[in-house]
Amino acid sequence: DGGITQSPKYLFRKEGQNVTLSCEQNLNHDAMYWYRQDPGQGLRLIYYSQIVNDFQKGDIAEGYSVSREKKESFPLTVTSAQKNPTAFYLCASGQGAYSTDTQYFGPGTRLTVL
Amino acid sequence: GQQVMQIPQYQHVQEGEDFTTYCNSSTTLSNIQWYKQRPGGHPVFLIQLVKSGEVKKQKRLTFQFGEAKKNSSLHITATQTTDVGTYFCAGYGAAGNKLTFGGGTRVLVKP
Repeated sequence: DGGITQSPKYLFRKEGQNVTLSCEQNLNHDAMYWYRQDPGQGLRLIYYSQIVNDFQKGDIAEGYSVSREKKESFPLTVTSAQKNPTAFYLCASGQGAYSTDTQYFGPGTRLTVL
Repeated sequence: GQQVMQIPQYQHVQEGEDFTTYCNSSTTLSNIQWYKQRPGGHPVFLIQLVKSGEVKKQKRLTFQFGEAKKNSSLHITATQTTDVGTYFCAGYGAAGNKLTFGGGTRVLVKP
């Protein structure tokens, strides 16, 4: 929302292919996050980064990889090792305030594996 | 690990009625946040509660943080069709670096 963009909105992938989801923010936020949402479910944290060139695994990092080379960008790669990648992927950013950070979400990417 | 549960999972409400959704954590939280996700949309931040027993209001929405900082509630008065969506609570635990989301309460309003 307001300053976070994700592309593409919809993505189709064949089994066995890696795919990279884009996330860009112009809010000058230090922290960025990737979540996965399955139908009717809550949000589960995949990876997060609180500073450039550093990131940490979330609760469901297996089969995913990220990079944080620039403050504005936090791309997520869904690898062929992710056994059930079809889901709605949400990127978020925040100021990085310890234990009080509110998060601003992008519009999301719906990934479907064919 | 920290778990956050929300009940009910679904809430069907007649337009004009009140309802409450509840959020419970397995561990003490440093704060609780609430987000709303409209159908087909993305979560949008509503409010954050930090103090034990804190109550905050946003128009027809009343948010409360429990005394033990392990539970929270959202009460909506005189529900309107614009209230349709999924309401998520989320909290930071002792480590303070990860926000754990509840499963959400999906609200459907009958006109």
